[in-house]
Amino acid sequence: DAGITQSPRHKVTETGTPVTLRCHQTENHRYMYWYRQDPGHGLRLIHYSYGVKDTDKGEVSDGYSVSRSKTEDFLLTLESATSSQTSVYFCAISPTGPNQPQHFGDGTRLSIL
Amino acid sequence: QQQVKQSPQSLIVQKGGISIINCAYENTAFDYFPWYQQFPGKGPALLIAIRPDVSEKKEGRFTISFNKSAKQFSLHIMDSQPGDSATYFCAAKYSGNTPLVFGKGTRLSVIA
Repeated sequence: DAGITQSPRHKVTETGTPVTLRCHQTENHRYMYWYRQDPGHGLRLIHYSYGVKDTDKGEVSDGYSVSRSKTEDFLLTLESATSSQTSVYFCAISPTGPNQPQHFGDGTRLSIL
Repeated sequence: QQQVKQSPQSLIVQKGGISIINCAYENTAFDYFPWYQQFPGKGPALLIAIRPDVSEKKEGRFTISFNKSAKQFSLHIMDSQPGDSATYFCAAKYSGNTPLVFGKGTRLSVIA
């Protein structure tokens, strides 16, 4: 398995609280991605990073922010969580180069009550 | 606008049968088409991938068929086994290190 660790693996929190999810990689890959997975919607890109301090928005970025201060860590923050952000969040990484596959972590299950 | 359309949503196949999942895409600039397999509680894992200059790619029991003119590609699982029961996602991407665009997934159940 690709060296990707997501933390926490499960979290339950209340509406309006801030939440930060962490993705840590040991592969030294340049590219990192955050997706959310919801029934009937598949995997949708939230934000991605193409290097330290270089990030860009994905399809469903509203309500989310990201930061990448080190190659190995990519943080996803929900500034004020809402029930619509209840989901399973996946981090993925890929190396530089054409048609390089993305490797996924095992996800964080987030419930917002 | 859904860039990659996947069907069916769910599929039940008898053990030993052939499982077929289809995807259609809109943008002819896509140049890499992977399939991912996901088991419950796990992240998606790359299964097999194809580029549009190839019409078919086979790896073991898994085959991708690609029809560039129809903008369609499909995954065939031969001799389907209960261990193949999982959710399958097709995806597409532009050239370079661009993010993947995923289909909505197909839940496959292989029954004995």
